[in-house]
Amino acid sequence: AQSVTQLDSQVPVFEEAPVELRCNYSSSVSVYLFWYVQYPNQGLQLLLKYLSGSTLVKGINGFEAEFNKSQTSFHLRKPSVHISDTAEYFCAVTPPRNTPLVFGKGTRLSVIA
Amino acid sequence: DSGVTQTPKHLITATGQRVTLRCSPRSGDLSVYWYQQSLDQGLQFLIHYYNGEERAKGNILERFSAQQFPDLHSELNLSSLELGDSALYFCASSPGTAGNTIYFGEGSWLTVV
Repeated sequence: AQSVTQLDSQVPVFEEAPVELRCNYSSSVSVYLFWYVQYPNQGLQLLLKYLSGSTLVKGINGFEAEFNKSQTSFHLRKPSVHISDTAEYFCAVTPPRNTPLVFGKGTRLSVIA
Repeated sequence: DSGVTQTPKHLITATGQRVTLRCSPRSGDLSVYWYQQSLDQGLQFLIHYYNGEERAKGNILERFSAQQFPDLHSELNLSSLELGDSALYFCASSPGTAGNTIYFGEGSWLTVV
């Protein structure tokens, strides 16, 4: 079975500073990886996904993530955050078969003016 | 707007009661997923339907049931409700199964009093 660990439950960061949200996964098979964002009182929205190919994946709103197979990680980064990036971020994994996404517990990013 | 519609948005009911949550997937999507989000458990996968057939079952209680109808909309039935069932219930949809992006609705807030 797959599992996802998001190493930080909360990350405070000042506006215009860089941020990294960490995600590690556990799986005995190859996987697809996703990052979703949840703004207050809204559903989850896809930021980016890794299915295959280049290990550096670019997403919406200036976010990117790097797939590292040897370290089983898929960390999310942004070089300069804005107040509007304040939200909950979820990492998710699924093997490339008929199975649903397994989510981590989320990281709350708080951007401070 | 993800295109996934969930009703009702908010629901308050008493313990022991039964409720039905409804989901209309994005146009053309054949898969519907139900997730439960609570503070202590995070995002938990409940059940997945594809074109009317149950494909995967997660941490869904026996008091809960779901179905997907021929028009592809889905309903999640929660019965004998307990205080601990209070949560945000998400429906999500995707075109197929493996590897597809899952699109989430805005959720149905259930409060059991």
